[in-house]
Amino acid sequence: TQLLEQSPQFLSIQEGENLTVYCNSSSVFSSLQWYRQEPGEGPVLLVTVVTGGEVKKLKRLTFQFGDARKDSSLHITAAQPGDTGLYLCALKTSGSRLTFGEGTQLTVNP
Amino acid sequence: EAGVAQSPRYKIIEKRQSVAFWCNPISGHATLYWYQQILGQGPKLLIQFQNNGVVDDSQLPKDRFSAERLKGVDSTLKIQPAKLEDSAVYLCASSPLRRAGASYEQYFGPGTRLTVT
Repeated sequence: TQLLEQSPQFLSIQEGENLTVYCNSSSVFSSLQWYRQEPGEGPVLLVTVVTGGEVKKLKRLTFQFGDARKDSSLHITAAQPGDTGLYLCALKTSGSRLTFGEGTQLTVNP
Repeated sequence: EAGVAQSPRYKIIEKRQSVAFWCNPISGHATLYWYQQILGQGPKLLIQFQNNGVVDDSQLPKDRFSAERLKGVDSTLKIQPAKLEDSAVYLCASSPLRRAGASYEQYFGPGTRLTVT
């Protein structure tokens, strides 16, 4: 059983469209991180959310932490080809260990 | 500031051979991590060092995998003997010692893509 479930697994859209990807857990977590990983590179941190109901914006990206702190979403407005990549959510488990979800592979076609 | 360096970037070996990967973390980062990322999956932690000591190696297959960070700076991860299912990207990450209230961001290197044939 995965600690974190991400959906959809794959998403292919046209430039200019909006999209939302999801990260869900059966357990309450204290904080959650979103990373983006481009081909041939390591993941890069986008945001950390810590408060239930929290919303953070990073240019065209909007991150939301569910009120019950068991789910999170990432919404991208007017997607661009440069947004293409693997979007990973991760939570801190024991010590400083990060446990990652399986990721959503996003492709934005020009 | 230089990022996390890893080498080689690609490696192809036959099963039962051995292989070693090298990682140089960001200068001053006390904590170093090795992750395995199988195609289509998220990274999975193999081992975590703080300085030259092992903090967490609970998910390291110790019958074939080993890692060291002798001087508390760079690190090597070794697989001996390799199996087909070890084909993956091996990512190294580092982070500074966490202060109260600070983020626990990890900085990742570009990874080594291993193919076992």
